[in-house]
Amino acid sequence: GEDVEQSLFLSVREGDSSVINCTYTDSSSTYLYWYKQEPGAGLQLLTYIFSNMDMKQDQRLTVLLNKKDKHLSLRIADTQTGDSAIYFCAESKEQAGTALIFGKGTTLSVSS
Amino acid sequence: DAGVIQSPRHEVTEMGQEVTLRCKPISGHDYLFWYRQTMMRGLELLIYFNNNVPIDDSGMPEDRFSAKMPNASFSTLKIQPSEPRDSAVYFCASSLSETQYFGPGTRLLVL
Repeated sequence: GEDVEQSLFLSVREGDSSVINCTYTDSSSTYLYWYKQEPGAGLQLLTYIFSNMDMKQDQRLTVLLNKKDKHLSLRIADTQTGDSAIYFCAESKEQAGTALIFGKGTTLSVSS
Repeated sequence: DAGVIQSPRHEVTEMGQEVTLRCKPISGHDYLFWYRQTMMRGLELLIYFNNNVPIDDSGMPEDRFSAKMPNASFSTLKIQPSEPRDSAVYFCASSLSETQYFGPGTRLLVL
């Protein structure tokens, strides 16, 4: 079946690195995504990775994909208080642009 | 581009009333999605359209929910009659390729 699992909460100190983990069950997933949601706001696409890639880096963000273990992670370098939000992992197993399956979200709390 | 536009941003209504949520996708996008977010169930896909045609409505919870997309720049999600358990944040998203862009959501409270 389809399931995306994330830990619910992560707390880090400003300046540290944050690593948010996600596991998924469908090995046919084509794209895997990370979205950020700030309080009272919509979902902001942070980054995504195609399933034939192992890693993608975009400024402070690094996405690692272990397809064998169906494990996805998002590393945020030099975490800032403005990074405090809920982070959602999502997978898409159909053709590009179609239905996303979301995890429940990881709440990242950054303390100064 | 203004991004995905949703209205209203907040809606408070009484049980039994009809509720209509509106969405304007990003111009040129050919996919439109409606999602619902609750604490208990997280983000759930309700229905999505491709080129104004409904493709998958298996996530629509009941016959009380209906969605239309009369043209490429407008979609509605209607709940009639509304119930307290419909209280949630409803998001619209649109895409052209592999990336979906979300609107700010409509926060619905049914009393």
